[in-house]
Amino acid sequence: DIVMTQSPATLSVSPGERATLSCRTSQSVSSDLAWYQQKPGQAPRLLMYGASTRATGIPARFSGGGSGTEFTLTISSLQSEDFAVYYCQQHNKWPRTFGQGTKVEIK
Amino acid sequence: EVQLLESGGGLVQPGGSLRLSCAASGFTFSSYAMSWVRQAPGKGLEWVSAISGSGGTTYGNTYYADSVKGRFTISRDNSKNTLDLQMNSLRAEDTAVYYCAKFVAVAGTWLYFDSWGQGTLVTVSS
Repeated sequence: DIVMTQSPATLSVSPGERATLSCRTSQSVSSDLAWYQQKPGQAPRLLMYGASTRATGIPARFSGGGSGTEFTLTISSLQSEDFAVYYCQQHNKWPRTFGQGTKVEIK
Repeated sequence: EVQLLESGGGLVQPGGSLRLSCAASGFTFSSYAMSWVRQAPGKGLEWVSAISGSGGTTYGNTYYADSVKGRFTISRDNSKNTLDLQMNSLRAEDTAVYYCAKFVAVAGTWLYFDSWGQGTLVTVSS
């Protein structure tokens, strides 16, 4: 199975600042990577797929990059509604696997 | 609007069985592969099982995580727009919120999840 490693586990950021989240895969997944946002008590929401394509309705302050084994999710200017847990998921090989999550909290 | 509504969760003893259901609406259900994804309390997401739009039970139409293979069975009824997960021989480590999720597919390959239900909690404990 492809192991997904996200870092950091927790990211403390002030509103308006930039946040950069990392996701590393144990083997190449090309650009087959998705990102999800999950708020407490809610289901995950799709943010990005294909490493860099925003899902429908996702604001432009979210951007994704990377390929192979190293990926990033950047939130250019954090809004109050962006404080949440973020998960990456590879969609290159079975089984589909998720990272353990990065919590973005208010500094 | 896509809606996915899970039901069937609850408290079950180790070794017991439970059947989860997911009622789908707002899209052509039979055209999409579907999946179950779970989340243990305070933990991350774990993919559990997937099934093709046609609902065949042979390999290539269904997939399972190793952690549930041989114990869980995924199925669907396209006439009722429902997705099920039969869970047998339950263990404490199966305790989690179980989400029903809709796959996005490209060229027949099931990729990522664009819609999720709100989840149903399964607790395995004596």
